[in-house]
Amino acid sequence: QVQLVQSGAEVKKPGASVKVSCKASLYTFTAYYIHWVRQAPGQGLEWMGWINPNSGGTYFAQTFRGRVTMTRDTSINTAYMQLSSLRSDDTAVYYCARDKGSVANPPSFWFDPWGQGTLVTVSS
Amino acid sequence: DIQMTQSPSSLSASVGDRVTITCQASQDISDFLNWYQQKPGKAPKLLIYDASNLETGVPSRFSGSGSGTDFTFTISRLQPEDIATYYCQQYDNLPITFGQGTRLDIK
Repeated sequence: QVQLVQSGAEVKKPGASVKVSCKASLYTFTAYYIHWVRQAPGQGLEWMGWINPNSGGTYFAQTFRGRVTMTRDTSINTAYMQLSSLRSDDTAVYYCARDKGSVANPPSFWFDPWGQGTLVTVSS
Repeated sequence: DIQMTQSPSSLSASVGDRVTITCQASQDISDFLNWYQQKPGKAPKLLIYDASNLETGVPSRFSGSGSGTDFTFTISRLQPEDIATYYCQQYDNLPITFGQGTRLDIK
């Protein structure tokens, strides 16, 4: 069964950076886009952007441009999301999610499956 | 950005009830709408894509309809395992946006 496994919880101080990993298994990692979505405590879902694991190409929501970096390491089937200049309102669970469409086409924006989530807490 | 407004924000229903959630887009999104289920402490799960198509393996008591700006998600006969928060998501325009969620529990 296709699976995405994320790295563990992080606690960071304001102004620091965090890097979350998302390891894919049981499918061809380079064949499907990976998206990142976050969820603040008790709140809804906020889409951050995507990475094409084959080309390394990325697209970010305007809200996050200049602060977010998405990369991948195809040798270990892992995608990464790094967020810098952290603020208290970046405290959230960060999810990676696979796009159901192939990188041979534009993203479908159907997200399935999702990783288990990584809680990032920003606190002084 | 396209705003997605769900209603109600929460509801209680009895096992076996028919449950309906609505989602309204701030502009025409054709049928570029998905529905997700998120159980407490878990990641979301895709249930419905393209407004009305049931994802493989999802029980047939779940359904979706609508196009343009107004959409409906229905559970025909509520089961205890359906307790969750449900989100709509538009993908007509970037950025992708979600509704604020509808929290469903058992009466």
